[in-house]
Amino acid sequence: QQQVKQSPQSLIVQKGGISIINCAYENTAFDYFPWYQQFPGKGPALLIAIRPDVSEKKEGRFTISFNKSAKQFSLHIMDSQPGDSATYFCAASIWTNDMRFGAGTRLTVKP
Amino acid sequence: EADIYQTPRYLVIGTGKKITLECSQTMGHDKMYWYQQDPGMELHLIHYSYGVNSTEKGDLSSESTVSRIRTEHFPLTLESARPSHTSQYLCASSWGYEQYFGPGTRLTVT
Repeated sequence: QQQVKQSPQSLIVQKGGISIINCAYENTAFDYFPWYQQFPGKGPALLIAIRPDVSEKKEGRFTISFNKSAKQFSLHIMDSQPGDSATYFCAASIWTNDMRFGAGTRLTVKP
Repeated sequence: EADIYQTPRYLVIGTGKKITLECSQTMGHDKMYWYQQDPGMELHLIHYSYGVNSTEKGDLSSESTVSRIRTEHFPLTLESARPSHTSQYLCASSWGYEQYFGPGTRLTVT
């Protein structure tokens, strides 16, 4: 049973556009929500993360929006660049235990 | 950048062979994890450890075994490789909330 549902499965965006990836979770005990970026042949790398006590976190062109009541969170990539083309995974965990990953979104940014 | 290493990076091996995938981290993290990932697909936890002499199975049933004799070392062993074991294996360690991943081992069993 997948506890974190991610959409879309793939996304194509023009250079300079906004990429939006969505995740929904079921377990209200989750208290940490990271996003990972993975390039082909590499392991996932932590991109940005949020705790449920804030509704938004921004780091450069990357923003997480968090809606606790809807049990949803999303990643926004502003001014998307071809170098952002990668697979993005959302995840959720309770403290440091048992991180649950979404199925991944393959992002392609066209020049 | 996290200091977590995996060897080999790529391995092609015949059915029935015993293999050990190595994972080491230099950060002194107590918690370590093994994930299985088919290319571009979600990660499935197969083993984890919360410290020396501690190992647990994850959600995904796996015929592999792990050991944790030293904090920095968390090897994964397959006693008899089968084509169904063909996948990418990712090792990770964590401190606090954050998990840091190694580059992965791409295993192909022929």
